[in-house]
Amino acid sequence: KQEVTQIPAALSVPEGENLVLNCSFTDSAIYNLQWFRQDPGKGLTSLLLIQSSQREQTSGRLNASLDKSSGRSTLYIAASQPGDSATYLCALRTSGSRLTFGEGTQLTVNP
Amino acid sequence: KAGVTQTPRYLIKTRGQQVTLSCSPISGHRSVSWYQQTPGQGLQFLFEYFSETQRNKGNFPGRFSGRQFSNSRSEMNVSTLELGDSALYLCASRFLGLAGLNTGELFFGEGSRLTVL
Repeated sequence: KQEVTQIPAALSVPEGENLVLNCSFTDSAIYNLQWFRQDPGKGLTSLLLIQSSQREQTSGRLNASLDKSSGRSTLYIAASQPGDSATYLCALRTSGSRLTFGEGTQLTVNP
Repeated sequence: KAGVTQTPRYLIKTRGQQVTLSCSPISGHRSVSWYQQTPGQGLQFLFEYFSETQRNKGNFPGRFSGRQFSNSRSEMNVSTLELGDSALYLCASRFLGLAGLNTGELFFGEGSRLTVL
């Protein structure tokens, strides 16, 4: 059974800092890994998708990496802004549309 | 291009009642899946439909059911509601097609917030 762990559970940083969110998983037999953002009371916004055969993906200030051999993914956020405050979730797709989610990292960026 | 649309956004029910939630996927997406999000259990997969057939099912009791229509719109139903069914129910859609165009990315709606009293 796939288990996904995200560390840290919560993170508070001053504006402008670069930061790294971590995601670890137990089963490397995945189709892809997706990073999402969730604002309070809202749905999930897809940030980055990394296919199983890829090592990293970049979108603007975001960079995500995937290392299947070690069961790890990281989301790097450069030059953080208060608008980046949200919960960040990583999810692994193992079959069809079945995603296994981590518990999330709650990020607060202080002005 | 419109995103995934879920209705209603909020609803309140009492124990024992039933509820039906609706999801319209992104145009052209044929796969619709449902997830339950609670503070205690996080996000959990309920089921997936495409071509009007359930393709995958999570570990939920039979009170949770769904269906998909020929236009890919989907509904999920929860019967005999329990307090523990209070949750945010999220719908996601995925494009199914030529391998080169099918990235496997899921797109989520804003969710339906169910409160059971």
